Amino acid sequence: QVQLVESGGGVVQPGGSLRLSCAASGFTFRNYGIHWVRQAPGKGLEWVALIWYDGGDKYFADSVKGRFTISRDNSKNTLHLQMNSLRAEDTALYYCAKDGGYGTMVRGVIPAWGQGTLVTVSS
Amino acid sequence: DIQMTQSPSTLSASVGDRVTIACRASQTIRSRLAWYQQKPGNAPNLLISEASTLESGVPSRFSGSGSGTEFTLTISSLQPDDFATYYCQQYNGYPWTFGQGTKVEVK
Repeated sequence: QVQLVESGGGVVQPGGSLRLSCAASGFTFRNYGIHWVRQAPGKGLEWVALIWYDGGDKYFADSVKGRFTISRDNSKNTLHLQMNSLRAEDTALYYCAKDGGYGTMVRGVIPAWGQGTLVTVSS
Repeated sequence: DIQMTQSPSTLSASVGDRVTIACRASQTIRSRLAWYQQKPGNAPNLLISEASTLESGVPSRFSGSGSGTEFTLTISSLQPDDFATYYCQQYNGYPWTFGQGTKVEVK
């Protein structure tokens, strides 16, 4: 079955950087767009970023644009979120999630999620 | 950005109750609406897409309706496993946005 396993979370000081990874299995990774969605402690869900199946297009929430980048390695079924200039408000559980579309047909519906990796930005 | 507003924020109910959660979009999203269930410590789980299409394996007591800007999630007879937080999400346009969530708690 679809499995998404995030890693790389931790505690970082404001202004610092962190690189999250997501290892995918159970589906043909190169055919699907992948999202990052975050959830601050005790709060709701916030979409963060999407990368197309081939890495050819990328979208970001305004709250992270210019600070976060997203990349993927389809030969290794892995996804990365590089987070720079981190702020306290970036503190959250970060989920890697598979888009419900196929190829160029990104849907934006998210049928499969990882369990998340926690990022804490604090001095 | 399209704003999604859910009501109520918290709902107290008993097993067997019929429960309805509302979701309003700040502009039309056609039927591009999904509902998710999230239990504490777990990732969200997709229940419904296209406003009313039940995902595979989701019990038939869940149903969704609406189009345009007004949507509802209904649980016809609340079961113990249904106490959770529910989120709506629009996927009509980037950036994709979620409602703030509705917590269904034990009355």
